[in-house]
Parts: sequence; structure tokens; C-alpha cells
Amino acid sequence: EAQVTQNPRYLITVTGKKLTVTCSQNMNHEYMSWYRQDPGLGLRQIYYSMNVEVTDKGDVPEGYKVSRKEKRNFPLILESPSPNQTSLYFCASSPLPSGRSYNEQFFGPGTRLTVL
Amino acid sequence: GQSLEQPSEVTAVEGAIVQINCTYQTSGFYGLSWYQQHDGGAPTFLSYNGLDGLEETGRFSSFLSRSDSYGYLLLQELQMKDSASYFCAVTFGGNNRKLIWGLGTSLAVNP
Repeated sequence: EAQVTQNPRYLITVTGKKLTVTCSQNMNHEYMSWYRQDPGLGLRQIYYSMNVEVTDKGDVPEGYKVSRKEKRNFPLILESPSPNQTSLYFCASSPLPSGRSYNEQFFGPGTRLTVL
Repeated sequence: GQSLEQPSEVTAVEGAIVQINCTYQTSGFYGLSWYQQHDGGAPTFLSYNGLDGLEETGRFSSFLSRSDSYGYLLLQELQMKDSASYFCAVTFGGNNRKLIWGLGTSLAVNP
């Protein structure tokens, strides 16, 4: 089954304790992206990647890191989490758009993170 | 700055037609897309407009007018299962594949 998986689905942690949220897709997509969703603020892009070893900042990259060492994986790293990073996080992937084309993004199920 | 505006809430009845508008204060984008999200779920793709005009996909249609800086999603023959949040998003292309999202419109479909 074609899908985007995220782990963990739920996480409660404490301020300053490094954590990684994994994202994996089995559709051979070049493009992957991380979003956070907060009430009243909609979806905001954190980082995105056009291909292996190519990453770029979205609108809210502060406090986050990503890496893209393999095509299928795009982990989100919080080196020193803070309470304002409590949010619902989504990973998404799509084929790499060419020119003015658009390819729908496929979203993972989400990771609900609470930082105390 | 870049921003998209959508109504926060819309209410309609089963079988009706509803239009969700998305107005934007941005330029230079490739196109406008629409996603649906049920409570607690992941967003799912509905429609995309790369060019001005109407795109139709079953009960859902989407429209874009760059000259008027707005687009809309039209949902016909509403069903209870259409109760969800709907987001518009603009895509900036080239090597920069950033997306800017609207805050979403919560649609309640009543019997």
C-alpha cells in the first residue's frame, strides 16, 4: 500500500530532551515536507526537500533540523524542544513537480507532540 | 507579505451547494490547491488550479482568477461526510517549492 508513515504518533516529552520524528514514504517521491498545525494558525511549512541531500527552509524552521540521506526518509529533529513546539506535525511527500505542474501531496497520519 | 484568507466557518444543509472563497495577498505563485481535513486526520488533496478558470472533479470544483486575486472551492450535492476543514494553499515553483496555506474553513453540513 502506498503510504507515508510517521513515528511516533504521539509523544510527550520534556523541555530540552532531543527527539526525532521519523517520516518514511514508499512511493519513490522526490519531494518531502514537514508541517506543523496549530489551532487558529493552519498548516505552516517547516522544511522541505526536493531530493536526497537537498533541503530548504519553509516558513517556520527555527528550532528544527532535518536531513535527507535517503530518498524514502525525512526525519524531523528537535535538538532542544521547548513548550512552544507543542503541536501536531505532518510529513508529506509528492513526485517532484516540473515546470508549472503540480503533484498532490500525500500526508502521513500526523504526530501529536507535547513538550512539557 | 504573503497571506491567504478564508472564512473561518461555513454551515450548509445536505444536498445544498456551498462555495468557500480564498483571497490572497501574494504574487508570483504557480497555482492554488485545495485540501480537505477531517477532525484528527491528515489533509487530503482535492483540486488544483494552475491556470485561471474552473477545474471540475466530481462534486467538487475549484476556480482561480489571478486578476481578481481570489479562488474558490465549490462543493455540490453536499453530504454529511463533507463536514470537514478545507484549506487553500499556493505553491511557489521553480527550485523553491514552498507552500503557503490559508487558515482553513470549517464546514458543517446539517441534515
